[in-house]
Amino acid sequence: ETGVTQSPTHLIKTRGQQVTLRCSSQSGHNTVSWYQQALGQGPQFIFQYYREEENGRGNFPPRFSGLQFPNYSSELNVNALELDDSALYLCASSYSGWKETQYFGPGTRLLVL
Amino acid sequence: ELKVEQNPLFLSMQEGKNYTIYCNYSTTSDRLYWYRQDPGKSLESLFVLLSNGAVKQEGRLMASLDTKARLSTLHITAAVHDLSATYFCAVDRASGSRLTFGEGTQLTVNP
Repeated sequence: ETGVTQSPTHLIKTRGQQVTLRCSSQSGHNTVSWYQQALGQGPQFIFQYYREEENGRGNFPPRFSGLQFPNYSSELNVNALELDDSALYLCASSYSGWKETQYFGPGTRLLVL
Repeated sequence: ELKVEQNPLFLSMQEGKNYTIYCNYSTTSDRLYWYRQDPGKSLESLFVLLSNGAVKQEGRLMASLDTKARLSTLHITAAVHDLSATYFCAVDRASGSRLTFGEGTQLTVNP
């Protein structure tokens, strides 16, 4: 059984650019959630995908968008990058059943200059 | 809006001592999680607490949940240096694995 993987591990972008982050869910998991963790803070929920549909969204603007593919892998896209988007982006997968724990990937550290 | 508060935010303790981290949350929830995060690393799941009065233990860590008080505790017994990390509690906003995290407690265990 493979765990949650994310790519790339690190990324540097400039303000105004666009970025795509990728996540492969753990085997058997059909739900992927994305979180943003700024330095020194707890993760904040961005959105969740279940069976290729968005299934809930946190307080993030529309320039944060996502996709989930038939194999349950997922992408997070951020347009018009701002300096405050610099953070660790965490992907978590789970099975949608009741009382299931989310398992987090290693994260992608994004720096916006 | 669900709010989750942890205290203390910073904790420095000596090896061999006991201490408790507190996690308060503002609205009814079904599940509470504790995670550990090492510097520059991702989140490692420690405990899932599902019902009032739930208690779980793993090594020197014990977590409990009081849903009536909306309070969870993470108790550290006879701390060792390897426990140094940041500990987060997180609460499920709905039955859908959308977690709201506390600010984290940065624990340093000194020899």
